[in-house]
Amino acid sequence: DTGVSQNPRHKITKRGQNVTFRCDPISEHNRLYWYRQTLGQGPEFLTYFQNEAQLEKSRLLSDRFSAERPKGSFSTLEIQRTEQGDSAMYLCASSLLAGGNTQYFGPGTRLTVL
Amino acid sequence: TQLLEQSPQFLSIQEGENLTVYCNSSSVFSSLQWYRQEPGEGPVLLVTVVTGGEVKKLKRLTFQFGDARKDSSLHITAAQTGDTGLYLCAGLSRDSNYQLIWGAGTKLIIKP
Repeated sequence: DTGVSQNPRHKITKRGQNVTFRCDPISEHNRLYWYRQTLGQGPEFLTYFQNEAQLEKSRLLSDRFSAERPKGSFSTLEIQRTEQGDSAMYLCASSLLAGGNTQYFGPGTRLTVL
Repeated sequence: TQLLEQSPQFLSIQEGENLTVYCNSSSVFSSLQWYRQEPGEGPVLLVTVVTGGEVKKLKRLTFQFGDARKDSSLHITAAQTGDTGLYLCAGLSRDSNYQLIWGAGTKLIIKP
């Protein structure tokens, strides 16, 4: 399977704990995006990378959230001191810089904060 | 603020019926994408439309991009239970720095 993969698929944690999610994009894609989605809503943009550079970060994104893409391949999203409001589906997508920027999504990581 | 409004928000119909879902904006988009998402999964790309007035067909699904590239529609003919899902539209424009602007989705349920 050469699509976007995400791990873990599900994460349950207690409030105040830190969590980290991983995304492996389609191998030749140089852009990688993180989104958050809550029930009944479209994806909400969090941040994106072009190769290893983080080019944009949503102003709505708390300082507790950080993302890295150290070698321009896989990416990690860390949430520190999780809160119940962080419970959501976290989606990763990748695209080519050219080609109309069509984004291909992974299956997501479902986070539940108790 | 750029917005993409989808309508209806929710639609439940019988198998075999036809339906149309709309995606509207006051902004011009260079391209617009339609995705389908099933519960617990990520969105799956159905189509990208880029030219005003463009019509694309994917089996029983027909996608149209408005002449002014501000709106789009998805028409499903003879709906099947497998069409059930959340249909999302997302637009790309220079004003959004080429970040996708997402609609809130149309939840479609096809009853047998």
